[in-house]
Amino acid sequence: DSGVTQTPKHLITATGQRVTLRCSPRSGDLSVYWYQQSLDQGLQFLIQYYNGEERAKGNILERFSAQQFPDLHSELNLSSLELGDSALYFCASSVDGGSAEAFFGQGTRLTVV
Amino acid sequence: AQKVTQAQTEISVVEKEDVTLDCVYETRDTTYYLFWYKQPPSGELVFLIRRNSFDEQNEISGRYSWNFQKSTSSFNFTITASQVVDSAVYFCALSEAWRDDKIIFGKGTRLHILP
Repeated sequence: DSGVTQTPKHLITATGQRVTLRCSPRSGDLSVYWYQQSLDQGLQFLIQYYNGEERAKGNILERFSAQQFPDLHSELNLSSLELGDSALYFCASSVDGGSAEAFFGQGTRLTVV
Repeated sequence: AQKVTQAQTEISVVEKEDVTLDCVYETRDTTYYLFWYKQPPSGELVFLIRRNSFDEQNEISGRYSWNFQKSTSSFNFTITASQVVDSAVYFCALSEAWRDDKIIFGKGTRLHILP
């Protein structure tokens, strides 16, 4: 158990809908990362927050947004969902930024039908 | 720009054989961090090792060893006396921590250990 909790584990929704994925980092970790893993794209970095502020941004679509709350948990919002958004979404946390190892949650498997 | 290349998409070896997974990285920074992660069939990502750019010492942990060579921008991972439980996808990753903190992953190498 990495100590990073992601909910829900599975999510099935229809195209055009909006969903929210939640991540609770390990106790003491200030940094949260979001990744998308699909079969053809591998692990794609989406966005990183550090102590509530956005620190780094990857190839995150405009339909996607995230935030980190004062209690350090984070949410990833995906809207106007398309079939191609079906993937495994991972959250990871680390004590600091990219210099420290990141520990991953078990992921949320999103299926858009 | 930072980039990680794992040229081996899939490897199959027979149990007890040694196997090396290759990782080549690109970075403009002199300070950076390299990682290896394992993703077993159950799907979770498990951290294996972190190495900073100033530490070129090779590391051994049980049957696992890592060879970091800055001259060739490589950070290879060797499993000695492989076991079926080593079957997984292995990812190499890079962070230019002084630039923007993101950790970029290679596309992974799927390793099959055959009994």
